[in-house]
Order: sequence, then structure tokens, then C-alpha cells
Amino acid sequence: TQLLEQSPQFLSIQEGENLTVYCNSSSVFSSLQWYRQEPGEGPVLLVTVVTGGEVKKLKRLTFQFGDARKDSSLHITAAQPGDTGLYLCAGDLDTGNQFYFGTGTSLTVIP
Amino acid sequence: DAGVIQSPRHEVTEMGQEVTLRCKPISGHDYLFWYRQTMMRGLELLIYFNNNVPIDDSGMPEDRFSAKMPNASFSTLKIQPSEPRDSAVYFCASSGETYTEAFFGQGTRLTVV
Repeated sequence: TQLLEQSPQFLSIQEGENLTVYCNSSSVFSSLQWYRQEPGEGPVLLVTVVTGGEVKKLKRLTFQFGDARKDSSLHITAAQPGDTGLYLCAGDLDTGNQFYFGTGTSLTVIP
Repeated sequence: DAGVIQSPRHEVTEMGQEVTLRCKPISGHDYLFWYRQTMMRGLELLIYFNNNVPIDDSGMPEDRFSAKMPNASFSTLKIQPSEPRDSAVYFCASSGETYTEAFFGQGTRLTVV
């Protein structure tokens, strides 16, 4: 059983559509990160959220940390083919130095 | 900065052989991580170091795996003997003060036949 479950696992959409990816857990996290990984490359950090209810925006990407710090969402507005990749959430548990990656969402944006 | 540098990028070896993966972290980073990524299990933390000292190696699958960090600019992950189920992409990552914000290398794709 994975500590951080992401949904959906796979997503294929047309250019210009909006989408939301979810990252859920039953555990409380001190902070949560979102990474994007392109084929043949390592994950690249997009954002870190640390406060319950926090919302951060990065151009067309909006990240939200749940009020209870157990979940997070990533919303992409007007998706572009360049957004294609594997999106990974990751977090460190509130109980100590333990860091986990989520199961991942593979996004394909079709031109 | 060149980022985290891993070598080799690809490694194909026969079952039973020793494999050594290498990593040069970003200069000045205090934390170094070794991860393994597979389709079935996703991204798994194997071990991490803080100031060259191993802190948590609970993710190392078995005694065939070992990792060292002899100095702040170099780390190795060794598998001896290798098995086909070790086939995966192995990533090294490093981070500064906030250990959760990691910078990843390009990975080593290991195939054990």
C-alpha cells in the first residue's frame, strides 16, 4: 500500500482543456512537493506547499494543500503539449524525517 | 552549476556481476539520496546521506545493495551480485537545507540479463 495515492493514474486530454490531478493520504504531512518528470529525465521540482489550505500558482498551474495537510491537488488550465509528463507528489511525514513519493499521474496532452 | 551528475547513463550487465553506479551531487548540498524507479513500484527511496553520513537505509532491498559517500562530492551505489529483478532506473538526488526539495540527476538505466 502506497502512502500517497495519486489519481488518475493516466490522463490523456486535448490541448486547451483543463485538468486536475489529486494526491491523497491518510497521513499528515509537514510539507508536500509536486514534481514533473519527462521521459529519460529525472523529476524536476515544481512547487512546495507547507501550510494547510495554501494555494500556489505557477503560470497555468495551481497547487493546493488540503486544510488537514493530508492531500493536495494540481490544476492545469488550458493544457499545452509541453505539459506532457509524469506528475509526482511527494511529502515528508509530520512525525519525522520520512519522505515519500506518490504513485504518479502520467499526463499526455494531444496537440 | 552542472546539476547532479550520474554515470553511467545506461548499464547492461549479466546476472551475478557487480554493478557500481556513481553520483556527483550539486556542490554545497548537504543531502544525497538514491532512488530506484520501476513501473510496478514507482519511485522508491533506497538510502539517504546527510553530510556524508548514511541516515536512513531502510529502503535498501537487501544485503546485495550497498552505498557509500566518501566525501561531499561523490557517492556510489553498488549491487553485488546483480539479479534481473534489479533492472530499473536508479536516480541520485541532492538537496540543500530543506531536504525535501531535491534536485535529481538524469538517472542510470540498469538492465540485468
